[in-house]
Amino acid sequence: EAGVAQSPRYKIIEKRQSVAFWCNPISGHATLYWYQQILGQGPKLLIQFQNNGVVDDSQLPKDRFSAERLKGVDSTLKIQPAKLEDSAVYLCASTKSLLAINNEQFFGPGTRLTVL
Amino acid sequence: GEDVEQSLFLSVREGDSSVINCTYTDSSSTYLYWYKQEPGAGLQLLTYIFSNMDMKQDQRLTVLLNKKDKHLSLRIADTQTGDSAIYFCAESTSNSGYALNFGKGTSLLVTP
Repeated sequence: EAGVAQSPRYKIIEKRQSVAFWCNPISGHATLYWYQQILGQGPKLLIQFQNNGVVDDSQLPKDRFSAERLKGVDSTLKIQPAKLEDSAVYLCASTKSLLAINNEQFFGPGTRLTVL
Repeated sequence: GEDVEQSLFLSVREGDSSVINCTYTDSSSTYLYWYKQEPGAGLQLLTYIFSNMDMKQDQRLTVLLNKKDKHLSLRIADTQTGDSAIYFCAESTSNSGYALNFGKGTSLLVTP
């Protein structure tokens, strides 16, 4: 079974530029999460999708961050414009559904963003 | 979410047992997890425990849960140098759509 795929693996941009990250969850997984992991901290939830609908985006800085999962499969996370404090690893995770026993989330390798 | 607290560092000798502690604050947590993260690698689920359990053992790993004190621990028996990594405690609740609320991680260093 293929795992969660993310691209790019690394991205370096200057502040005020835009950037987009892509995630392909495990086939058949209905629930998709984006987390932000700043160096030295644990991952923090940005947004959660169930199929193509948003379940929770309360911690997403909506003035600069946006995310979509139009067909309920792949997802894109965008930052526009980026700030220095957005430097982090962006992790995508998926799970079968909200009702899956133990709700094990499978994580992708992450995209490491550096904002200069 | 509410804070999940972990000690930041732990150093043990190879062959000894390691105990990593975690305190969570959401009494409605349904599942509690331990994840392992090696440098440059993704998060790997080690084990989890359902909130109505006190203990779970899985090979070298033992998880203890004290719901009264909201305390979770991970014991690694016969710790090896390959166990050196950052260990994250995480909780999930139905209230949050089962999204994970992570601690800051405990960096485990195993010395020969």
